[in-house]
Order: sequence, then structure tokens, then C-alpha cells
Amino acid sequence: QVTLKESGPALVKPTQTLTLTCTFSGFSLSTSGMRASWIRQPPGKALEWLARIDWDDDKFYSTSLKTRLTISKDTSKNQVVLTMTNMDPVDTATYYCARTSPRELYFDYWGQGTLVTVSS
Amino acid sequence: DIQMTQSPSTLSASVGDRVTITCRASQSISSWLAWYQQKPGKAPKLLIYKASSLESGVPSRFSGSGSGTEFTLTISSLQPDDFATYYCQQYNSYSLTFGGGTKVEIK
Repeated sequence: QVTLKESGPALVKPTQTLTLTCTFSGFSLSTSGMRASWIRQPPGKALEWLARIDWDDDKFYSTSLKTRLTISKDTSKNQVVLTMTNMDPVDTATYYCARTSPRELYFDYWGQGTLVTVSS
Repeated sequence: DIQMTQSPSTLSASVGDRVTITCRASQSISSWLAWYQQKPGKAPKLLIYKASSLESGVPSRFSGSGSGTEFTLTISSLQPDDFATYYCQQYNSYSLTFGGGTKVEIK
């Protein structure tokens, strides 16, 4: 059974760096083909893919946000970490962690999401 | 990046109706398209992948079709549990993108 859960601060101030952790079970990012992604959704708006990390430590980022994002993994802890620098109120959103299918690049399992508000 | 455009943005329908949602890509994405259902306050749920493959456990009233730049999600007979927002997502390129969503409301 695959499960994912996001954790991190609910509130950050503008210009601060956000660090989010995804803790998962039911699969391993040390297994060939496994991948995990971060996706966000501002209140009332559409989904936006942010970043992906693969079993071989390949990393991929949103074109528009790549200068602000870093994704990493700790396979011993079954965790994926996303950092986003220079936070702004427009970054207020629910941030989701999702397993990216081993076969193709769609998201087959999602975490419950964590709401991050950016405000002074 | 590949832009994904969904229509309509909102759809009002009744239980038992046949519902069709369209997703258009700004360039050809072959069949690399997924559909998700999202209910308020919940994470999206995968319905369809590779344009027309039904995810395990998803009711057969959901179906997907299309290739290239135009795709459709069809619900053959709308059920009360289907009132939700639906998103398409392309995965032809490494930079993954979603459509703007279609909210299916009760008429």
C-alpha cells in the first residue's frame, strides 16, 4: 500500500525559504524506475507541477520556477525534500507530494497536501 | 512549455447525463495524457492514463479518447459522486503541465 504525507510550516514570511518534506511508504526511491514529484495548487486555482526526482537521482524542475527550487531524497528515510527560496504571497498554495508512475510520467498516488501561507 | 487548455471551465449537468470534457494541447503530445478527478479539500485522483487507459478501480463509466492535440474525457452516465473538478495533464515532455480544470456542477 502506497502512502505519502507532506510536512512543513503552515506559515512563512515573504523572502524566506520554504522546506517541505514528503515521507512515503509502499515503495522505495532506490528501486529502478521509481520517481516522486511535488505539485502545488493555489486556493481556487489549477494544479502546477514543480519538480521531480528519480531513483537514479536525476532531477527535473518547472521551467518557470527552476531557479528557486531544489529537490532531494533520503532513501534511508523514505523522504523527498523540496526547498523553495524567496517565498512570495503568490506562492500561497496547497503543496502535494505524489508518486510518479514507474511506467509513465503521471501521478498515481498523492499525499493529502499541506497548505502553506506566505504572509508577513 | 506545452500549454493545456480545457473546455468548458464549468459544466452544469444532471444525474444520468452523458458528460464530455475537452483538453487541447499546444503541440502534439501523442497519447501522453492523464485525467484526474478532484473533490473539494482532497488530493486529485488518477482516472485515466495514456489518453484512454482506465486506472484500476475507476468505474467503467469514465473513458478517455484522443491523440495528438485533442483529447476528451467522457462520463457515460453522471453519478452523484462524480460532481467534482477534472484536470488533464500532459507528460510528453519532462516539463509536466496541467489544464486549467473543468468543474462539473449539479444542474
